[in-house]
Amino acid sequence: SQTIHQWPATLVQPVGSPLSLECTVEGTSNPNLYWYRQAAGRGLQLLFYSVGIGQISSEVPQNLSASRPQDRQFILSSKKLLLSDSGYYLCAWSVGAGEGETQYFGPGTRLLVL
Amino acid sequence: RKEVEQDPGPFNVPEGATVAFNCTYSNSASQSFFWYRQDCRKEPKLLMSVYSSGNEDGRFTAQLNRASQYISLLIRDSKLSDSATYLCVVDTGRRALTFGSGTRLQVQP
Repeated sequence: SQTIHQWPATLVQPVGSPLSLECTVEGTSNPNLYWYRQAAGRGLQLLFYSVGIGQISSEVPQNLSASRPQDRQFILSSKKLLLSDSGYYLCAWSVGAGEGETQYFGPGTRLLVL
Repeated sequence: RKEVEQDPGPFNVPEGATVAFNCTYSNSASQSFFWYRQDCRKEPKLLMSVYSSGNEDGRFTAQLNRASQYISLLIRDSKLSDSATYLCVVDTGRRALTFGSGTRLQVQP
């Protein structure tokens, strides 16, 4: 069966510090991968998605970036965190053409920028 | 107009009650529809997909109305464990899904 891992589970970082969040998927090949952010009391905002190694699409302009160095690894990064980057970061995967199939979420990382 | 709109609630209902949520979407070309459940401080989990003919899974029934561009979720015989936020999810023609902000349900003893 497929599983998705995210780490760390929680993170407290000062403004201006760098960020690296990792997501890995097991039990499937060539998944579509997604990064979402959920601010407190808000809906999910799609940040990035990837349909293959090295293929990243950005949905919103921001100071975050994403990379997919391996088939089942997706990394979210920032060079300098802002206060507004605080939130619940969720990684998700799906299989298919990347057009409307079910997505499955990892446990998420709660980031607090102080 | 938002791509996916939901009443945020909260819906406070007693145990055993029947409760229904609606969700409207703006893209008439959308083909895939889902309901996800999100517990407090947890990741969203798929509750059910929504098919054109409607579908039922135990106490949960989902319906799709393409003409009026809305989907609905009906929960019968509510349990305390049904308390959660229910997210309406629609594909919007891009390579991703769009999530509504969610409807919060609180089932009370």
